[in-house]
Amino acid sequence: DIVMTQSPDSLAVSLGERATINCKSSQSVLDGSDKKNYLTWYQQKLGQPPKVLIYWASTRESGVPDRFSGSGSGTDFTLTISSLQAEDVAVYFCQQHYSTPPYTFGQGTKVE
Amino acid sequence: QVQLVQSGAEVKKPGSSVKVSCKTSGGTFINYAINWVRQAPGQGLEWMGGIIPIFGTPSYAQKFQGRLTITADESTSTVYMELTTLTSEDTALYYCARAQGPPRDWFDPWGQGTLVTVSS
Repeated sequence: DIVMTQSPDSLAVSLGERATINCKSSQSVLDGSDKKNYLTWYQQKLGQPPKVLIYWASTRESGVPDRFSGSGSGTDFTLTISSLQAEDVAVYFCQQHYSTPPYTFGQGTKVE
Repeated sequence: QVQLVQSGAEVKKPGSSVKVSCKTSGGTFINYAINWVRQAPGQGLEWMGGIIPIFGTPSYAQKFQGRLTITADESTSTVYMELTTLTSEDTALYYCARAQGPPRDWFDPWGQGTLVTVSS
């Protein structure tokens, strides 16, 4: 199974400041045929199910503000919130869908 | 727009079973996978298993082999998750979520979640 490890576990950021979350996979999630990284970022606000922010490591989901960006390839990935807004307080998860089953998630990063 | 609506909260005794439903609407039911993910209080997300209704054969995480059953009812566009031999460690919020399959195999949308509490 591919193990996903996020860092840090929690992050305190001032409004308007940058937040950076890292996600590392135990093996590459880059598909050799289509050159896509099968890595998704989710945002989960309190009392809500997770919501897709970024898929294929760097493609922003429709409707997601452009202050959210994803980068990385292979085994190392980053989610960046360029200017934190109050509504961005949430837990963020990465997930791989390269080698399934099982689908595996990072442990989550709490942004406050 | 695809929507997943789950059944209501459950309180169960240790050793018993729970069956949670996930009704889909607004899209094609049989071609896409429905997965089950659980989240213990204050914890992360754990994939339990999933099913593609057109194929009918579910896949399960090794951890739940033997006590998890996922089924699909095409007539009602509903997927069921049954977990047996419950313990307090199964207390969690259980979500269903749709995946479109490679290369678009992320989970979207999600159901609203069903809280299962296991307590004597």
